[in-house]
Amino acid sequence: AQSVTQPDIHITVSEGASLELRCNYSYGATPYLFWYVQSPGQGLQLLLKYFSGDTLVQGIKGFEAEFKRSQSSFNLRKPSVHWSDAAEYFCAVGYAGGTSYGKLTFGQGTILTVHP
Amino acid sequence: GAVVSQHPSRVICKSGTSVKIECRSLDFQATTMFWYRQFPKKSLMLMATSNEGSKATYEQGVEKDKFLINHASLTLSTLTVTSAHPEDSSFYICSAPSRGSGGNTQYFGPGTRLTVL
Repeated sequence: AQSVTQPDIHITVSEGASLELRCNYSYGATPYLFWYVQSPGQGLQLLLKYFSGDTLVQGIKGFEAEFKRSQSSFNLRKPSVHWSDAAEYFCAVGYAGGTSYGKLTFGQGTILTVHP
Repeated sequence: GAVVSQHPSRVICKSGTSVKIECRSLDFQATTMFWYRQFPKKSLMLMATSNEGSKATYEQGVEKDKFLINHASLTLSTLTVTSAHPEDSSFYICSAPSRGSGGNTQYFGPGTRLTVL
């Protein structure tokens, strides 16, 4: 069965510092991978996605993520964090086909706190 | 990107009543929509797949008689929590896939906070 692990429940960084949020997945085929961000009491906003091709993907708000098949990872990075980036971040894996097409399995989420 | 709306954003009801939550894809059609449930400080758990023109598909452990899903049109899916109890209190989020290059991307609604007294 597929699974997504975000090892870090809570990360605190200073504004302007770099950020890396970890995500590891377990999936039998080539995955569709996503990063979403959720502000308190809100829905999820798509930051970026990987379907195929270039393993380094660029997203909105200055985020990027790199797909590493050998490590089953899809870590999210940002070179300089802004206070407005404080939120909860979810990594997700999607199914490419079959009866589960379109479904997403989410990681546990990582809460990002940004200190001024 | 594609826009998905939910209504209401927040609802408080008495135990034993039923609550209907609507999910709409505003600028695209969705033959399939998904309903998730999120407990406080937890991740999202897929409840069911809503299929336009056919029955919903429920995930293991989800009571289909309690969580009724109707996909009335290509832009509307509804989730009805029947005979709600306090343990049904949660944040319910729907999503709809918008087909793009390479595959589907799920776009999420803003969520509905259900509180059952």
